Amino acid sequence: DTGVSQNPRHKITKRGQNVTFRCDPISEHNRLYWYRQTLGQGPEFLTYFQNEAQLEKSRLLSDRFSAERPKGSFSTLEIQRTEQGDSAMYLCASRTGTGAYNEQFFGPGTRLTVL
Amino acid sequence: DAKTTQPNSMESNEEEPVHLPCNHSTISGTDYIHWYRQLPSQGPEYVIHGLTSNVNNRMASLAIAEDRKSSTLILHRATLRDAAVYYCILRDEETSGSRLTFGEGTQLTVNP
Repeated sequence: DTGVSQNPRHKITKRGQNVTFRCDPISEHNRLYWYRQTLGQGPEFLTYFQNEAQLEKSRLLSDRFSAERPKGSFSTLEIQRTEQGDSAMYLCASRTGTGAYNEQFFGPGTRLTVL
Repeated sequence: DAKTTQPNSMESNEEEPVHLPCNHSTISGTDYIHWYRQLPSQGPEYVIHGLTSNVNNRMASLAIAEDRKSSTLILHRATLRDAAVYYCILRDEETSGSRLTFGEGTQLTVNP
C-alpha cells in the first residue's frame, strides 16, 4: 500500500508520560501535516513541514509538543508530560508541493488515550 | 480563513441523489471551495474542489452559486459507503500555508 501510514494506531498512556507518534507520508510528497481531532469535531491543524523545514505551527502546539521531520521523509510528533486533555486522534497528511492544486492524503490516525 | 456553515446532519436513502449544502458568505475572490469526507474510523479523504465553475469527478459534482456565497456537493446515487462526515472548506492557497481548516461538517446517514 502506498498511502500515508501512522504508527501506532492506538496508544494508551498515563498522565505525565511522554509519547511519540510516527507518520510515513506518501513517497516523494514533500509537504507533511499534523492535525488533531477530538470527538465530534473536525480535525484541527497543528503544524506542517515542507521537506525537513517546519514552516508553520498552530497556537494549539504548546511547548509540550514537538514535531520533527529530520530527513524530509517520515515525521514524528512527541508529546511530553501528557495531560488528559491531550486525548484525541492525531492525523498526519501529505501532499506534493508542485502543480496548481494538490489534495492532502490523510493517514488513518493514531488514537491517544491519556488516563 | 473564511467561515463555512453546514447542517449538522442529513439523511438520504440508498441509490437516491444527495445534495449537501454549504454557505460561505464571506468567501474571498481567491478562496477555493474544497470538500473532504471522513468515513468512520478513517482519516479524511478528498472529494472535490472548485473556484467558480461547477465541477464533476468520479465521486461527486460541485455546484457553485454565481455569487460564490454558497455551494452544494452532489452525490448522484448514494450508497451505504457514502455514510460519512462531509466537510466544506475554504482555502486560499497563497495565504493559508496550504493547511485545511475544518468545521464540524455534515454527518450523512444513508438508509438502505
